[in-house]
Amino acid sequence: ETGVTQTPRHLVMGMTNKKSLKCEQHLGHNAMYWYKQSAKKPLELMFVYNFKEQTENNSVPSRFSPECPNSSHLFLHLHTLQPEDSALYLCASSQGLLDQETQYFGPGTRLLVL
Amino acid sequence: QKEVEQNSGPLSVPEGAIASLNCTYSDRVSQSFFWYRQYSGKSPELIMSIYSNGDKEDGRFTAQLNKASQYVSLLIRDSQPSDSATYLCAVSMPFGQGAQKLVFGQGTRLTINP
Repeated sequence: ETGVTQTPRHLVMGMTNKKSLKCEQHLGHNAMYWYKQSAKKPLELMFVYNFKEQTENNSVPSRFSPECPNSSHLFLHLHTLQPEDSALYLCASSQGLLDQETQYFGPGTRLLVL
Repeated sequence: QKEVEQNSGPLSVPEGAIASLNCTYSDRVSQSFFWYRQYSGKSPELIMSIYSNGDKEDGRFTAQLNKASQYVSLLIRDSQPSDSATYLCAVSMPFGQGAQKLVFGQGTRLTINP
C-alpha cells in the first residue's frame, strides 16, 4: 500500500456514458497527477494539480475533465469516450513539484470503453 | 527523438545472474532520476532514485548515473524470479515556473529464468 487509493478498480462503459474516477491520498501531499497507460506506450501525463490548482493539462481531449476539490482528492470525469481511451488510468501524488520529489502511485483503474 | 528511451526487451536473465537495464534521456537540465518496477496488472512502485553522478546501492539494486552521457542504468544482482517485471525509467524535466514533472520511458520487460 502506497497511501494512494483509487476507485473503481475496473470500469466498463459505453461511449455515451458518463462516469468518474476517484483518487484519494493519505500521505499529506500537495501535488496530485493523472496518468494514462496504454499497451506498448509510455506512461502519459494527463493533468497535474498542486495545492488544488491545475498546473498542467497535457493537451488532453475535453472528454476528460479533472476536478481537485482539496489536496487529498482528485477526480477524473469521463464522458463520450472513444474505444481508444481504454487504458489503465493511474493517479499519483508527491509532496510538491520540486526536484527530487518522489511520486507514489495508486493501484489504477482499468477502463474499457465499448 | 524520444525524451526518455529504454530498450523494450524482453530481457531474459538466468536466476542468480546480474540484470542490467539502461535508459537514456534527452534533456540536459534533468537532475532527478527514478527507477520504478511494475508487475503485470499492477501500478508502478519506486525501486531507486538517484540525483548525483556515480553509483547508488540499495541491497541487490545499484543505480548508476552519468549526466555527461545522459545515461542512467539499474543493475540487479543475484536476480530472482520475483524480479521479473517491467522496469520504468523516469526523468524529471522542468515545466511551468520552477516546477518539475516526470517523463517515463516505455519500460524494459525483464524475465528471470529459474
